[in-house]
Amino acid sequence: GQQLNQSPQSMFIQEGEDVSMNCTSSSIFNTWLWYKQEPGEGPVLLIALYKAGELTSNGRLTAQFGITRKDSFLNISASIPSDVGIYFCGVNGGSQGNLIFGKGTKLSVKP
Amino acid sequence: NAGVTQTPKFRVLKTGQSMTLLCAQDMNHEYMYWYRQDPGMGLRLIHYSVGEGTTAKGEVPDGYNVSRLKKQNFLLGLESAAPSQTSVYFCASSSGINEQFFGPGTRLTVL
Repeated sequence: GQQLNQSPQSMFIQEGEDVSMNCTSSSIFNTWLWYKQEPGEGPVLLIALYKAGELTSNGRLTAQFGITRKDSFLNISASIPSDVGIYFCGVNGGSQGNLIFGKGTKLSVKP
Repeated sequence: NAGVTQTPKFRVLKTGQSMTLLCAQDMNHEYMYWYRQDPGMGLRLIHYSVGEGTTAKGEVPDGYNVSRLKKQNFLLGLESAAPSQTSVYFCASSSGINEQFFGPGTRLTVL
């Protein structure tokens, strides 16, 4: 089946540092989504991207829909302890019309 | 709006026991989904529904059944629980095939 390759798997950073993570695929998709999951909670939608080349911000978060439609990245600027969690990318590419998710990037922030 | 709610939050079952997980959404969404989340596996789709009275199989449907008798509710049933079904279960809903909104999860342990 279709797969999303999300990297890195985990990151350990110091508070105040910038973070970058990405998601790639061998297939073209029309939508890229980024979710954050905090411990013990469900994933929460952060940013949705619908157009190739689109760059969208949500506070300190910025995501881009790759021009080839095969990738996307998420940047977090000036990280803070509450940024801790697992970040998932997702695309609307399932054969059943469902979303396909990457395996997540686990972010740890040291105060 | 409560969004997507799930009951129960936690459950421990013995092998062979049955149970039903309830998902409710108050956003009038047509689409509803059940995922399971296991370490290192990301989110995998179990079953989904594109409207009241309809259900369909996802990526990992074996051992589960679902029903969507009312638009706002989506039930996930385990007829004979197995240890391999120990997982965290998430329900999600959406108005289309893109942005999905997740519930807080049900942590199930099968002994």
